[in-house]
Amino acid sequence: NAGVTQTPKFQVLKTGQSMTLQCAQDMNHEYMSWYRQDPGMGLRLIHYSVGAGITDQGEVPNGYNVSRSTTEDFPLRLLSAAPSQTSVYFCASTTSGSGDTQYFGPGTRLTVL
Amino acid sequence: AQSVTQLDSQVPVFEEAPVELRCNYSSSVSVYLFWYVQYPNQGLQLLLKYLSGSTLVKGINGFEAEFNKSQTSFHLRKPSVHISDTAEYFCAVSVLNRDDKIIFGKGTRLHILP
Repeated sequence: NAGVTQTPKFQVLKTGQSMTLQCAQDMNHEYMSWYRQDPGMGLRLIHYSVGAGITDQGEVPNGYNVSRSTTEDFPLRLLSAAPSQTSVYFCASTTSGSGDTQYFGPGTRLTVL
Repeated sequence: AQSVTQLDSQVPVFEEAPVELRCNYSSSVSVYLFWYVQYPNQGLQLLLKYLSGSTLVKGINGFEAEFNKSQTSFHLRKPSVHISDTAEYFCAVSVLNRDDKIIFGKGTRLHILP
Protein backbone atom coordinates (compact mmCIF):
# COMPACT_ATOMS: atom_id res chain seq x y z
CA ASN A 1 0.00 0.00 0.00
CA ALA A 2 1.30 3.42 -0.95
CA GLY A 3 -1.21 5.04 1.43
CA VAL A 4 -1.95 8.68 0.59
CA THR A 5 0.18 10.22 -2.14
CA GLN A 6 0.40 13.88 -3.13
CA THR A 7 1.98 15.56 -6.11
CA PRO A 8 3.86 17.78 -6.57
CA LYS A 9 6.00 18.07 -3.43
CA PHE A 10 6.94 21.67 -4.18
CA GLN A 11 5.42 24.30 -6.46
CA VAL A 12 6.04 27.97 -7.15
CA LEU A 13 3.30 29.95 -8.88
CA LYS A 14 2.86 33.52 -9.95
CA THR A 15 -0.18 35.47 -8.81
CA GLY A 16 -3.14 34.69 -11.02
CA GLN A 17 -1.91 31.32 -12.25
CA SER A 18 -4.01 28.22 -11.75
CA MET A 19 -2.95 24.73 -10.82
CA THR A 20 -4.18 21.43 -9.45
CA LEU A 21 -2.74 19.63 -6.44
CA GLN A 22 -3.17 15.90 -6.81
CA CYS A 23 -4.12 13.49 -4.04
CA ALA A 24 -4.68 9.76 -4.31
CA GLN A 25 -5.23 6.96 -1.82
CA ASP A 26 -5.21 3.20 -2.30
CA MET A 27 -6.94 2.20 0.94
CA ASN A 28 -10.52 2.38 -0.40
CA HIS A 29 -11.34 5.12 2.09
CA GLU A 30 -14.64 6.95 1.67
CA TYR A 31 -13.61 10.16 3.39
CA MET A 32 -10.98 12.50 2.01
CA SER A 33 -10.01 16.00 3.09
CA TRP A 34 -7.74 18.87 2.18
CA TYR A 35 -6.04 20.97 4.84
CA ARG A 36 -3.68 23.88 4.76
CA GLN A 37 -1.03 24.38 7.42
CA ASP A 38 0.28 27.82 8.26
CA PRO A 39 2.67 28.75 11.10
CA GLY A 40 0.79 29.19 14.37
CA MET A 41 -2.55 28.34 12.76
CA GLY A 42 -2.53 24.55 12.97
CA LEU A 43 -4.42 22.69 10.27
CA ARG A 44 -7.44 24.30 8.68
CA LEU A 45 -9.93 22.33 6.65
CA ILE A 46 -10.42 23.56 3.08
CA HIS A 47 -12.78 21.01 1.52
CA TYR A 48 -13.79 17.46 2.25
CA SER A 49 -15.62 14.58 0.62
CA VAL A 50 -17.63 11.77 2.18
CA GLY A 51 -17.68 9.69 -0.99
CA ALA A 52 -17.43 9.80 -4.77
CA GLY A 53 -19.57 12.60 -6.14
CA ILE A 54 -20.03 14.30 -2.76
CA THR A 55 -18.00 17.28 -1.58
CA ASP A 56 -18.49 20.03 0.96
CA GLN A 57 -16.77 23.15 2.19
CA GLY A 58 -14.60 23.35 5.24
CA GLU A 59 -13.37 26.29 7.25
CA VAL A 60 -11.38 28.11 4.51
CA PRO A 61 -12.81 27.16 1.08
CA ASN A 62 -12.49 30.46 -0.78
CA GLY A 63 -10.22 30.32 -3.82
CA TYR A 64 -10.24 26.52 -4.00
CA ASN A 65 -12.35 23.97 -5.88
CA VAL A 66 -12.57 20.21 -5.50
CA SER A 67 -14.27 17.29 -7.19
CA ARG A 68 -14.44 13.59 -6.41
CA SER A 69 -15.13 11.49 -9.46
CA THR A 70 -13.54 8.32 -8.03
CA THR A 71 -13.00 6.91 -4.56
CA GLU A 72 -9.22 7.07 -5.04
CA ASP A 73 -8.66 10.65 -6.21
CA PHE A 74 -9.43 14.03 -4.68
CA PRO A 75 -7.71 16.89 -6.55
CA LEU A 76 -7.60 20.45 -5.22
CA ARG A 77 -7.75 23.27 -7.75
CA LEU A 78 -6.48 26.78 -7.23
CA LEU A 79 -8.36 28.89 -9.75
CA SER A 80 -6.33 32.12 -9.55
CA ALA A 81 -3.45 31.86 -7.11
CA ALA A 82 -2.87 34.62 -4.56
CA PRO A 83 0.07 35.18 -2.18
CA SER A 84 -2.30 34.41 0.73
CA GLN A 85 -2.45 30.84 -0.58
CA THR A 86 1.23 30.29 0.13
CA SER A 87 1.08 27.36 2.52
CA VAL A 88 1.71 23.67 3.00
CA TYR A 89 -1.22 21.57 1.81
CA PHE A 90 -2.07 18.16 3.20
CA CYS A 91 -4.51 15.61 1.90
CA ALA A 92 -5.95 13.03 4.31
CA SER A 93 -8.23 10.04 4.10
CA THR A 94 -10.15 7.90 6.56
CA THR A 95 -12.59 5.00 6.41
CA SER A 96 -15.79 6.41 7.83
CA GLY A 97 -17.07 7.64 11.14
CA SER A 98 -15.70 10.24 13.43
CA GLY A 99 -13.57 7.86 15.53
CA ASP A 100 -11.38 6.58 12.72
CA THR A 101 -7.72 7.42 12.14
CA GLN A 102 -6.90 9.97 9.47
CA TYR A 103 -4.04 9.07 7.15
CA PHE A 104 -2.10 12.01 5.80
CA GLY A 105 -0.08 12.49 2.67
CA PRO A 106 3.44 13.97 2.77
CA GLY A 107 2.25 17.45 1.79
CA THR A 108 2.73 19.97 -1.00
CA ARG A 109 4.64 23.15 -0.25
CA LEU A 110 3.20 25.94 -2.40
CA THR A 111 4.65 29.41 -2.83
CA VAL A 112 2.72 32.10 -4.66
CA LEU A 113 4.78 35.10 -5.75
CA ALA B 1 -19.49 23.83 18.17
CA GLN B 2 -16.37 22.02 19.19
CA SER B 3 -12.99 23.59 19.80
CA VAL B 4 -9.53 22.51 20.86
CA THR B 5 -6.97 24.57 22.77
CA GLN B 6 -3.35 23.60 23.05
CA LEU B 7 -2.07 25.70 25.87
CA ASP B 8 1.58 25.85 24.84
CA SER B 9 2.86 26.70 21.38
CA GLN B 10 6.38 25.54 22.24
CA VAL B 11 7.75 23.30 24.97
CA PRO B 12 11.51 22.95 25.55
CA VAL B 13 12.61 19.95 27.61
CA PHE B 14 15.92 18.26 28.32
CA GLU B 15 16.60 14.84 26.90
CA GLU B 16 15.52 12.02 29.25
CA ALA B 17 13.26 14.38 31.21
CA PRO B 18 9.48 13.90 31.40
CA VAL B 19 7.12 16.02 29.34
CA GLU B 20 3.45 16.93 29.35
CA LEU B 21 1.72 18.63 26.42
CA ARG B 22 -1.58 20.13 27.40
CA CYS B 23 -4.85 19.99 25.49
CA ASN B 24 -8.31 21.20 26.48
CA TYR B 25 -11.45 20.83 24.42
CA SER B 26 -14.89 22.32 24.41
CA SER B 27 -18.00 20.42 23.34
CA SER B 28 -21.61 20.08 24.40
CA VAL B 29 -21.73 16.47 23.21
CA SER B 30 -19.54 13.40 23.56
CA VAL B 31 -16.33 13.45 21.56
CA TYR B 32 -13.46 11.34 20.33
CA LEU B 33 -9.99 12.68 21.09
CA PHE B 34 -6.73 12.26 19.20
CA TRP B 35 -3.08 13.19 19.33
CA TYR B 36 -1.18 13.36 16.05
CA VAL B 37 2.56 13.93 15.57
CA GLN B 38 4.30 15.69 12.70
CA TYR B 39 8.02 15.07 12.31
CA PRO B 40 9.99 17.68 10.34
CA ASN B 41 8.99 17.86 6.68
CA GLN B 42 6.45 15.05 6.98
CA GLY B 43 2.71 14.61 7.16
CA LEU B 44 0.84 13.90 10.38
CA GLN B 45 0.54 10.44 11.86
CA LEU B 46 -1.59 9.15 14.70
CA LEU B 47 0.03 8.84 18.15
CA LEU B 48 -3.04 7.68 20.06
CA LYS B 49 -6.77 8.14 20.35
CA TYR B 50 -9.51 7.92 22.95
CA LEU B 51 -12.84 6.51 21.84
CA SER B 52 -14.28 5.02 25.04
CA GLY B 53 -13.37 2.83 27.98
CA SER B 54 -10.21 3.31 30.01
CA THR B 55 -9.34 6.97 30.36
CA LEU B 56 -5.60 6.23 30.14
CA VAL B 57 -4.63 5.62 26.54
CA LYS B 58 -1.25 4.31 25.45
CA GLY B 59 0.17 5.15 22.04
CA ILE B 60 3.27 4.66 19.97
CA ASN B 61 6.81 5.64 20.99
CA GLY B 62 6.06 5.50 24.73
CA PHE B 63 3.47 8.29 24.76
CA GLU B 64 0.25 8.14 26.76
CA ALA B 65 -2.67 10.47 27.36
CA GLU B 66 -5.37 10.71 29.97
CA PHE B 67 -8.94 11.71 29.22
CA ASN B 68 -10.42 13.83 31.99
CA LYS B 69 -14.08 14.53 31.30
CA SER B 70 -14.63 16.84 34.29
CA GLN B 71 -11.71 19.05 33.26
CA THR B 72 -12.34 18.55 29.51
CA SER B 73 -8.68 17.75 29.05
CA PHE B 74 -6.61 15.21 27.14
CA HIS B 75 -2.99 15.88 28.11
CA LEU B 76 -0.16 13.95 26.44
CA ARG B 77 2.72 12.63 28.53
CA LYS B 78 6.00 10.80 28.14
CA PRO B 79 8.18 9.85 31.11
CA SER B 80 11.51 10.25 29.30
CA VAL B 81 11.95 12.03 25.99
CA HIS B 82 14.55 11.41 23.31
CA ILE B 83 15.99 13.64 20.64
CA SER B 84 13.90 11.71 18.12
CA ASP B 85 10.72 13.07 19.76
CA THR B 86 11.46 16.50 18.29
CA ALA B 87 8.27 17.24 16.38
CA GLU B 88 5.04 19.18 16.39
CA TYR B 89 2.14 17.59 18.25
CA PHE B 90 -1.51 18.22 17.44
CA CYS B 91 -4.51 17.51 19.62
CA ALA B 92 -7.78 16.92 17.76
CA VAL B 93 -11.44 16.29 18.51
CA SER B 94 -14.33 14.86 16.53
CA VAL B 95 -17.95 14.46 17.51
CA LEU B 96 -19.36 11.06 18.41
CA ASN B 97 -21.27 9.50 15.52
CA ARG B 98 -20.99 12.54 13.31
CA ASP B 99 -19.43 11.57 10.00
CA ASP B 100 -17.52 14.67 9.17
CA LYS B 101 -15.01 17.09 10.45
CA ILE B 102 -12.21 16.66 12.90
CA ILE B 103 -11.02 19.85 14.58
CA PHE B 104 -7.29 20.28 15.16
CA GLY B 105 -5.56 22.42 17.74
CA LYS B 106 -2.86 24.86 16.66
CA GLY B 107 -0.06 22.51 17.63
CA THR B 108 2.72 22.35 20.23
CA ARG B 109 6.31 22.27 19.06
CA LEU B 110 8.44 20.02 21.27
CA HIS B 111 12.12 21.01 21.45
CA ILE B 112 14.46 18.45 22.97
CA LEU B 113 17.53 20.03 24.55
CA PRO B 114 20.76 17.98 24.76
